Amino acid sequence: EAQVTQNPRYLITVTGKKLTVTCSQNMNHEYMSWYRQDPGLGLRQIYYSMNVEVTDKGDVPEGYKVSRKEKRNFPLILESPSPNQTSLYFCASSIQGTPQETQYFGPGTRLLVL
Amino acid sequence: AQSVSQHNHHVILSEAASLELGCNYSYGGTVNLFWYVQYPGQHLQLLLKYFSGDPLVKGIKGFEAEFIKSKFSFNLRKPSVQWSDTAEYFCAVKPNSGNTPLVFGKGTRLSVIA
Repeated sequence: EAQVTQNPRYLITVTGKKLTVTCSQNMNHEYMSWYRQDPGLGLRQIYYSMNVEVTDKGDVPEGYKVSRKEKRNFPLILESPSPNQTSLYFCASSIQGTPQETQYFGPGTRLLVL
Repeated sequence: AQSVSQHNHHVILSEAASLELGCNYSYGGTVNLFWYVQYPGQHLQLLLKYFSGDPLVKGIKGFEAEFIKSKFSFNLRKPSVQWSDTAEYFCAVKPNSGNTPLVFGKGTRLSVIA
């Protein structure tokens, strides 16, 4: 089944403890992206990647890192999480990232930073 | 930077009522327009999209949207809602030019009551 998977689905952590949220897609998509969803703010893009080893900042990149060493994986790294990073995170992918393409979303990771 | 406005934060309708959710965007060039839906506890899914051709676009589950270029609008409609349409609806815009990300509106929560 074609899908985007994320792990973990739920995570509670403490301020400053490094964490990684994994994202993987099995559709051979070149484009991948991370969003955070906050009440009343909709989805905002954190980082995106047009292809392997090509990443770029979205609208809210502060406090996050990403890497794209393989086509299928696009992990989101929080080196030193803070409470304002408590949010619902979605990974998404599309074929090439062209403007007309549909993005396919993962199930989401709910993060609570204490 | 472009922005997307969804006028209604929360809409409550009875089953069989007609639905129209407003979406306006601010961008002067050619854009691609999307409506995504997020059912409770699930990830975002594409409802419909427009990038060229007939400005009246039909999507899944009986939804449609009309692109009115002069009004910078892409309103979502459904003639008769069902309880299963209860969800959050996001309008999103991606310009044709540059590497600008998919920009989401803040979302409209639809509650359909029996």
